[in-house]
Amino acid sequence: DQQVKQNSPSLSVQEGRISILNCDYTNSMFDYFLWYKKYPAEGPTFLISISSIKDKNEDGRFTVFLNKSAKHLSLHIVPSQPGDSAVYFCAAAGGTSYGKLTFGQGTILTVHP
Amino acid sequence: GAGVSQSPSNKVTEKGKDVELRCDPISGHTALYWYRQSLGQGLEFLIYFQGNSAPDKSGLPSDRFSAERTGGSVSTLTIQRTQQEDSAVYLCASSFSGSSYEQYFGPGTRLTVT
Repeated sequence: DQQVKQNSPSLSVQEGRISILNCDYTNSMFDYFLWYKKYPAEGPTFLISISSIKDKNEDGRFTVFLNKSAKHLSLHIVPSQPGDSAVYFCAAAGGTSYGKLTFGQGTILTVHP
Repeated sequence: GAGVSQSPSNKVTEKGKDVELRCDPISGHTALYWYRQSLGQGLEFLIYFQGNSAPDKSGLPSDRFSAERTGGSVSTLTIQRTQQEDSAVYLCASSFSGSSYEQYFGPGTRLTVT
């Protein structure tokens, strides 16, 4: 039972364009969402997060949108850069008294120069 | 400052042998998590430590898996009688407290069971 899903295994984008990564969840107890970025042979690094009381959070080139009614969130990267090429994981937390994260399967983003 | 470190970075073992994986969290972080990532999959939660106690072990796949944390710092994940399906990258993460969602991950230990 996959509670967090990233249905696109990969995404290819031209440098300078927008990258949109999508994530769906099923558990209505989730109230905090995070995006992590992972390079090969490294651990995931935190990118940006959003609480369920918001519908948008922005940090530089990265914006996360949350649609609670659709149980959907997305990460927008504008403009995309070749250094953004990595695996992006969506994660969700909530329903417990601590920060256990439930991850999606990841989306491989490739940004072409 | 130093991040989360894990050792070894790679481990190849024969089926049936026991292995120990080590995690050194960021100093001062009271919460510690173990996850694993199998090929083509997302990260799967294994166990959560707050200090030296483990309030949630619900993700451990079988009783061959155990973990401990000593001194509120270093943690060891032990897999007994390894099986081929145990092959995965085992990731450790720490956070300032259990209520903090932002977790800092180590580079992982790639375990291969032959």
